[in-house]
Amino acid sequence: AQSVTQLGSHVSVSEGALVLLRCNYSSSVPPYLFWYVQYPNQGLQLLLKYTSAATLVKGINGFEAEFKKSETSFHLTKPSAHMSDAAEYFCAVSEGLGRWDKLSFGAGTTVTVRA
Amino acid sequence: EAGVTQFPSHSVIEKGQTVTLRCDPISGHDNLYWYRRVMGKEIKFLLHFVKESKQDESGMPNNRFLAERTGGTYSTLKVQPAELEDSGVYFCASSQEGAWGNEQFFGPGTRLTVL
Repeated sequence: AQSVTQLGSHVSVSEGALVLLRCNYSSSVPPYLFWYVQYPNQGLQLLLKYTSAATLVKGINGFEAEFKKSETSFHLTKPSAHMSDAAEYFCAVSEGLGRWDKLSFGAGTTVTVRA
Repeated sequence: EAGVTQFPSHSVIEKGQTVTLRCDPISGHDNLYWYRRVMGKEIKFLLHFVKESKQDESGMPNNRFLAERTGGTYSTLKVQPAELEDSGVYFCASSQEGAWGNEQFFGPGTRLTVL
């Protein structure tokens, strides 16, 4: 079974500072990897996904993530945090054959942005 | 285009009662998933429908949970009888058949509290 570990349940950053959220996965096959964001009282929204194309993936709202197979990592970054980035972020891996399989999620990281 | 909708948004019931959650996927999406997040834990997969058929129900906790998807459209998840440990947020997601990278669109969730 595949699994995901997110390091840090809470991250606090200053507005304008770098956002770095860490995600490590375990998988016996090449994985599909995802970052989702959940704003208060909303559903999960896809930020970006890795599907074995480019290892540096750009997503919405200025976020990007780099797939590093040697480190089994898929860390999420944003160069400059905005107040609107305050939310909970989830890293997920797709199990099985990838086309329409269930997702395994990390525990989530809550980001707060200080003015 | 309407997103994934879930009803109710909140439900508070007594232990031993029955609750039915509903999910309406995005129109045309054959894949429908149910997930659950218990307080402080990861989001966990419950089951997956392809149209009206259960593709994978390996995440269903026990036989108190019954999921249906009549006609391959909306889905219901019934908990009968509810126990305290069933409390959490139940998410529904849908995706298109043949959508590589398994992009799942999530609803806002139903927060279930069992007292």
